[in-house]
Amino acid sequence: ETGVTQSPTHLIKTRGQQVTLRCSSQSGHNTVSWYQQALGQGPQFIFQYYREEENGRGNFPPRFSGLQFPNYSSELNVNALELDDSALYLCASSSPRVLETQYFGPGTRLLVL
Amino acid sequence: AQKITQTQPGMFVQEKEAVTLDCTYDTSDPSYGLFWYKQPSSGEMIFLIYQGSYDQQNATEGRYSLNFQKARKSANLVISASQLGDSAMYFCAILTTSGTYKYIFGTGTRLKVLA
Repeated sequence: ETGVTQSPTHLIKTRGQQVTLRCSSQSGHNTVSWYQQALGQGPQFIFQYYREEENGRGNFPPRFSGLQFPNYSSELNVNALELDDSALYLCASSSPRVLETQYFGPGTRLLVL
Repeated sequence: AQKITQTQPGMFVQEKEAVTLDCTYDTSDPSYGLFWYKQPSSGEMIFLIYQGSYDQQNATEGRYSLNFQKARKSANLVISASQLGDSAMYFCAILTTSGTYKYIFGTGTRLKVLA
């Protein structure tokens, strides 16, 4: 176990709705990254947060937004859900001293109907 | 733009044999890191090994080693003495840090270890 937790584990939403996914990072880690993994694909980098600021972003539209809290936990918000947003959403935390090693959570599986 | 290419969608290996999973990358960033992750059918992503672009020696972690050929822009993963539990998807990834951080993953290779 990595110590990174995510909630909920599974979620079903309908098109147009909004969703919030949560991630608790491993103790001592102040950097959190979010990824979207569609079925049969590699993870796609959404964004990274470091000390409550967005520190990097992939090619995702603005309806994908995030927050990081003072305790370094994080949220991923997706507005106006589309069918293609159905995927496994992975959160990963890393240490500022060992940035190369990310520890992933178990993921949240989102289904948009 | 950064890119990771994994050309082997699926590989088979006999138990106790070694296997090499291919990965090539493209980046103009002089400073970058290369990673390999394992994703079993349960879905969790497990970090295996890391190689920095300025590291002179190939990274090793137990049965995993990374064959880093910078001029060829390749970062192949070698798994020695394969075990049945090694059956999984394997992803190669690159982290570039010029400006902001950005991770790019490949499409993965599915490895099946045969008894």
